[in-house]
Amino acid sequence: DTGVSQNPRHKITKRGQNVTFRCDPISEHNRLYWYRQTLGQGPEFLTYFQNEAQLEKSRLLSDRFSAERPKGSFSTLEIQRTEQGDSAMYLCASSWGTILQETQYFGPGTRLLVL
Amino acid sequence: QQQVKQSPQSLIVQKGGISIINCAYENTAFDYFPWYQQFPGKGPALLIAIRPDVSEKKEGRFTISFNKSAKQFSLHIMDSQPGDSATYFCAVSLSGSARQLTFGSGTQLTVLP
Repeated sequence: DTGVSQNPRHKITKRGQNVTFRCDPISEHNRLYWYRQTLGQGPEFLTYFQNEAQLEKSRLLSDRFSAERPKGSFSTLEIQRTEQGDSAMYLCASSWGTILQETQYFGPGTRLLVL
Repeated sequence: QQQVKQSPQSLIVQKGGISIINCAYENTAFDYFPWYQQFPGKGPALLIAIRPDVSEKKEGRFTISFNKSAKQFSLHIMDSQPGDSATYFCAVSLSGSARQLTFGSGTQLTVLP
């Protein structure tokens, strides 16, 4: 399968714990996005990487959230001191090519439940 | 402020019927209008997309109609099938350094056999 992969698929944690999610984009895709989706809502943009550079961050991305994309390949999203409001599906998407020709391909997501 | 409003929230259609989902946006600078399909437990998948220089785009049973003056666009699914039952999201975005998508709230489509 050459699509976007995300691990783990599910994560249950207690409030106050730190969690880390991983996204492996489609090979050779230079752009990578993180979105968050709560139940019954559309995905909301969190942050964007072009290669290893984090170029944009949403105001939704509080100081407890940090994302990295070392060497421009896989990416990690870490949430420190989790809160119940962090419970959501965290989606990763990747793309390539010119902005006008871009299609974002989404992974299956990591569903986080904070107890 | 909600940048894109999607309706209806849910839709039930008989097999073979036409499903129509609508979206309205505010910012006239948006220049990319995709529709995504999402099945339970899966990430969204691009269905069809349109740019503002055309008023309609058709791909198989799926058609986007775009009304620039009204700032509205809609998805039409012809000959709807039970396998089309999913949640559909419209989205908008701006040209720039990143094409971050702003999604609507979704429409849960059920196609009855």
